[in-house]
Amino acid sequence: EVQLVESGGGLVQPGGSLRLSCAVSGFTFSTYHMSWVRQAPGKGLEWVAAITKDGGATNYAASVRGRFTISRDNSRKTLYLQINSLRAEDTASYYCARHFVVAGSGFDYWGQGTLVTVSP
Amino acid sequence: DIQLTQSPSFLSASIGDRVIITCRASQGISSDLAWYQQKPGKAPKLLIYKASGLQTGVPLRFSGSGSGTQFTLTVSSLQPEDFATYYCQQLYSYPLTFGGGTKVEIK
Repeated sequence: EVQLVESGGGLVQPGGSLRLSCAVSGFTFSTYHMSWVRQAPGKGLEWVAAITKDGGATNYAASVRGRFTISRDNSRKTLYLQINSLRAEDTASYYCARHFVVAGSGFDYWGQGTLVTVSP
Repeated sequence: DIQLTQSPSFLSASIGDRVIITCRASQGISSDLAWYQQKPGKAPKLLIYKASGLQTGVPLRFSGSGSGTQFTLTVSSLQPEDFATYYCQQLYSYPLTFGGGTKVEIK
């Protein structure tokens, strides 16, 4: 069974940092591109960042570029999102998601999400 | 960046109704579009990939069509479990983007 389990969320002050993790099981992690997607309370979905299966290339939304870093450890089957210089508008549930094996197709598996709250 | 405009943003429908949600892209995206269903407190669920491919396990009453800039998600006969919010997503180019969502509620 494919599983993605996020962790690392919590309450943090503006300007602070967190590292989110997404531990996966049930599939060969190193053969899939991965993304992070976030959703502010009561709002829509916002794609945040993506990383290729070997970690060799990354892409970011403009709203997080320079503050967030996506990475992965294929030996540990874990995806990461380092989030720095947090702002109130970063408050959201953060989901990790697996890219469908066919490029341009969508995200076929998602984690349950981890909540990041940025507040003084 | 490619903008996706979903319509309507809110839809009130009855059990058994045929429901159509549209997604318009600000530039051509070939067939690189996905549709998701999201229920409150849950992660999104992939329904349609590559504009018209039905994801494994998704009921046949869901279908997708379109290419280029105009896409539709159709639910042929709305069931109680289909009341949710639906999002389109383009995967043609980075940054990936989602539509604003369509909330489907019971009339």
